[in-house]
Amino acid sequence: DAKTTQPTSMDCAEGRAANLPCNHSTISGNEYVYWYRQIHSQGPQYIIHGLKNNETNEMASLIITEDRKSSTLILPHATLRDTAVYYCIVRVYNFNKFYFGSGTKLNVKP
Amino acid sequence: DTGVSQNPRHKITKRGQNVTFRCDPISEHNRLYWYRQTLGQGPEFLTYFQNEAQLEKSRLLSDRFSAERPKGSFSTLEIQRTEQGDSAMYLCASSTMNTEAFFGQGTRLTVV
Repeated sequence: DAKTTQPTSMDCAEGRAANLPCNHSTISGNEYVYWYRQIHSQGPQYIIHGLKNNETNEMASLIITEDRKSSTLILPHATLRDTAVYYCIVRVYNFNKFYFGSGTKLNVKP
Repeated sequence: DTGVSQNPRHKITKRGQNVTFRCDPISEHNRLYWYRQTLGQGPEFLTYFQNEAQLEKSRLLSDRFSAERPKGSFSTLEIQRTEQGDSAMYLCASSTMNTEAFFGQGTRLTVV
């Protein structure tokens, strides 16, 4: 699986959009971009995934650049409960494991 | 609650003792994964089952570790002769071929 690079931490004001970047310059054509988050002392929670088109669900939007070398997870209206570590993972669809990096610690502040 | 259940949630044990953790996946999920997470790090892959077959094991899974999924449903992870370095959160996840992985709340192991 390709490696990803994420900032160690980011701050966001409550109610504002949180934009979390991820670099995956060595991604292969059959690898998807997945995002998970982990709230303190809980297991990781799936957020969204995509291959090359932008995706949106009830939790977030995923914007993937045309060359697929980077992506951005957008939480449109961050709340205090969105404070968590966010992991960007690239993975062949249906493959049997995820490789988590260190993620981005998002701090949502009042 | 994701539907993946792990027990116990917390375990404190003395060095040298054996411990066993249990994971109950979502019932229709044929894939089951174990991960380990130490403080400040992302989860690290340990092993993967498809139904009852253990198809992959990480080099992190030393010979003191053994995992089973005897009937393709629940799974157990046993650590023999625990060491202080085994202190970590042990996470279980399950999926089908076509779904994302759902993680349990984890078992936090402290070896004293």
